[in-house]
Amino acid sequence: DAKTTQPNSMESNEEEPVHLPCNHSTISGTDYIHWYRQLPSQGPEYVIHGLTSNVNNRMASLAIAEDRKSSTLILHRATLRDAAVYYCILRAEYNNNDMRFGAGTRLTVKP
Amino acid sequence: GAGVSQSPSNKVTEKGKDVELRCDPISGHTALYWYRQSLGQGLEFLIYFQGNSAPDKSGLPSDRFSAERTGGSVSTLTIQRTQQEDSAVYLCASSLVAGYSNQPQHFGDGTRLSIL
Repeated sequence: DAKTTQPNSMESNEEEPVHLPCNHSTISGTDYIHWYRQLPSQGPEYVIHGLTSNVNNRMASLAIAEDRKSSTLILHRATLRDAAVYYCILRAEYNNNDMRFGAGTRLTVKP
Repeated sequence: GAGVSQSPSNKVTEKGKDVELRCDPISGHTALYWYRQSLGQGLEFLIYFQGNSAPDKSGLPSDRFSAERTGGSVSTLTIQRTQQEDSAVYLCASSLVAGYSNQPQHFGDGTRLSIL
């Protein structure tokens, strides 16, 4: 399976934008890029996903490099509630019934 | 509620006992997944169900682990003769269908299992 690499931790100030990077240099042409986050004592929560084009939703934006070997999750204005572990995951187009979470990036938001 | 519901939220039991963990998926979701998460680790896939098809059990760590899904809805994960290494958070997720990358998985908050 294609692997992702993320920084172990990042810090942000409240109400500032946050850019969470993910490298996936071995991504295949049919792999989707998914982001989930996990708040303390909760299950993972879907954030966003994309294939080639940048994506926006109410939670975040996903910027995908032209060669697709990296992507960035963008939180436009971090809040204290955004403190969580963020996971970048590649999912094959089909037959992808399990998701392989790595260690993710632990985001700390300072007031 | 509208989300995935798991019970109990916490379970403490003695080594060697059997435990049953329950998952109520989101209504209408045909795919159901079980994962476990050890302290500070990522998720480990255990098993998934899609409709009436045979489940994919490829992630079950031993024959002490089994799961069933009744009526295409509620699922139970059973661990027989529990061992201390079974201590973890067991997470359930559901999605509308399995097998397609545009279907996000929706997770419950898990059952924290502690084996004494």
